[in-house]
Amino acid sequence: AQKITQTQPGMFVQEKEAVTLDCTYDTSDPSYGLFWYKQPSSGEMIFLIYQGSYDQQNATEGRYSLNFQKARKSANLVISASQLGDSAMYFCAMREGNNAGNMLTFGGGTRLMVKP
Amino acid sequence: GAVVSQHPSWVICKSGTSVKIECRSLDFQATTMFWYRQFPKQSLMLMATSNEGSKATYEQGVEKDKFLINHASLTLSTLTVTSAHPEDSSFYICSAPQGLYNSPLHFGNGTRLTVT
Repeated sequence: AQKITQTQPGMFVQEKEAVTLDCTYDTSDPSYGLFWYKQPSSGEMIFLIYQGSYDQQNATEGRYSLNFQKARKSANLVISASQLGDSAMYFCAMREGNNAGNMLTFGGGTRLMVKP
Repeated sequence: GAVVSQHPSWVICKSGTSVKIECRSLDFQATTMFWYRQFPKQSLMLMATSNEGSKATYEQGVEKDKFLINHASLTLSTLTVTSAHPEDSSFYICSAPQGLYNSPLHFGNGTRLTVT
């Protein structure tokens, strides 16, 4: 079974509007972390936001927020006030366990395109 | 913030030759580094985990004799693609964890390999 699922291969959003990128995950480990990365066309991976499995509140970082629904095993990324520079691939990832040396498993990604 | 440097950023080589890719953690020590491969329009797939002072751990289906990994020091890991073939053409990206379990993986900028 897929550990990280991103069901939206591509999304369009109008500039200045908010957009939600979906991510569901599957793990039996009670301790895990969820990450979102942005990958522009140049290829670098830019870390956006982190949510721990024991965190009580949804993570926020500037225009990025994470809608964490633990019972549903979903960790959707919300980008507010979209900008043209937000056009990129977005990857959801999970680290199982509480060891920083554990690998990240990535979802298939969502290509976000911001329309002017 | 933590920085991972990867070199070269792109390389073109002839079929049958070998290519070495370097990954350095610039301001922190990394006993573990991860090597991912990304084919066009696809997600990042873990190839192997590089361990300082011991052998690398390869994911299923990744040929260890073809993709040689050497973790020479706490700040340097290298991936050598031996006897490269056109099907090895891909985007290779290294990453290193830093410190705490809630720290993101820090990625290099990737290497785009084209085998002709």
